[in-house]
Amino acid sequence: AQSVTQLGSHVSVSEGALVLLRCNYSSSVPPYLFWYVQYPNQGLQLLLKYTSAATLVKGINGFEAEFKKSETSFHLTKPSAHMSDAAEYFCAVSGRGTSYGKLTFGQGTILTVHP
Amino acid sequence: SAVISQKPSRDICQRGTSLTIQCQVDSQVTMMFWYRQQPGQSLTLIATANQGSEATYESGFVIDKFPISRPNLTFSTLTVSNMSPEDSSIYLCSVGGRIASNEQFFGPGTRLTVL
Repeated sequence: AQSVTQLGSHVSVSEGALVLLRCNYSSSVPPYLFWYVQYPNQGLQLLLKYTSAATLVKGINGFEAEFKKSETSFHLTKPSAHMSDAAEYFCAVSGRGTSYGKLTFGQGTILTVHP
Repeated sequence: SAVISQKPSRDICQRGTSLTIQCQVDSQVTMMFWYRQQPGQSLTLIATANQGSEATYESGFVIDKFPISRPNLTFSTLTVSNMSPEDSSIYLCSVGGRIASNEQFFGPGTRLTVL
């Protein structure tokens, strides 16, 4: 069984400030981990993924995430927020073997960026 | 990445009717999935659409309510049957990417409102 917890349903930052979106996971097997972004009235876009290679993963739009097995975390960061980053962000986990392809999503975090 | 289209993009339906949602991919893919995103909520996996065999449903979802077809490796349909207002959601199809990374790409979604 696997699950994802995103701490904070809403995060608000000023433009240019650090963005930190928290994600903790639970998985009985080594997981694949993902961050997706959903802009208003749009589908999901893959930001980045962890697949057991480098623990620090770089994605699109300047985002990155670090896999920390000891903390079962996969927090998403961006050094400097831009107005265009305002969206909802979802962390997701997938297992391997029989769980392959089945994504379990967190509840989502809405990011607001203030000028 | 795969290009995924869904039809219709949105619809408003009456209680008790059924709606069939189509998902078309621009390349052959092994795995296709259907997700539901209820208002203000995260995504929940409905089922895996298997080519040439019956879909595999997740707990809480049944074939009579959500029949799925997968006639070939580029196309799938999801029917929402005997609809009620509680079925108002965004329905998204996704396809599996490279097996080694287990990533999934999502269609734009179908926004369904049931009156």
